[in-house]
Amino acid sequence: AQTVTQSQPEMSVQEAETVTLSCTYDTSENNYYLFWYKQPPSRQMILVIRQEAYKQQNATENRFSVNFQKAAKSFSLKISDSQLGDTAMYFCALYSNSGYALNFGKGTSLLVTP
Amino acid sequence: DGGITQSPKYLFRKEGQNVTLSCEQNLNHDAMYWYRQDPGQGLRLIYYSQIVNDFQKGDIAEGYSVSREKKESFPLTVTSAQKNPTAFYLCASSIGGRDEQFFGPGTRLTVL
Repeated sequence: AQTVTQSQPEMSVQEAETVTLSCTYDTSENNYYLFWYKQPPSRQMILVIRQEAYKQQNATENRFSVNFQKAAKSFSLKISDSQLGDTAMYFCALYSNSGYALNFGKGTSLLVTP
Repeated sequence: DGGITQSPKYLFRKEGQNVTLSCEQNLNHDAMYWYRQDPGQGLRLIYYSQIVNDFQKGDIAEGYSVSREKKESFPLTVTSAQKNPTAFYLCASSIGGRDEQFFGPGTRLTVL
């Protein structure tokens, strides 16, 4: 069975600072894919970043980067220079070939304050 | 513009009634999905379809049904057998399972 755990239900950060959201997962597969999705108050789900497990290099998208630790099964998201528009729910998700769709964590609610 | 649409945005249902939520995509994606979102629960998979005329149950399929007669469309019916249907429903599509899923804006269903 695959599981995704986000241990921080809520977090807050001040504008322009850096914040890291945690995600751990469990899968018996060696080849899999990890995702971070953002859901702002509008509730529109948006892909933030995608990581392929066989790639050792951590994925980066502008101010968003991940720390992928395959042995530890950890996939944290770092947001640099936080902006008010980053306020949202953030979901970590896992896909492996033994599954059929994304397996989502329960999410972390991030509040960016002025 | 390519995208995925859901309708209606808000839906109210009386107990005992079936309702159908619409999901349409023009991204030419083979795979489509239905998720249910409840507070503190994340997204839970109801049904998915990898190709036209084929679909499989997800983790919480009881009380729901789907069809996939066209590549572009994947409607979800919430039946009276669903014990607690009040929730936010999200439809998504992707090229394949390992690829980015594109989400619709969602439908908020409330049972009165």
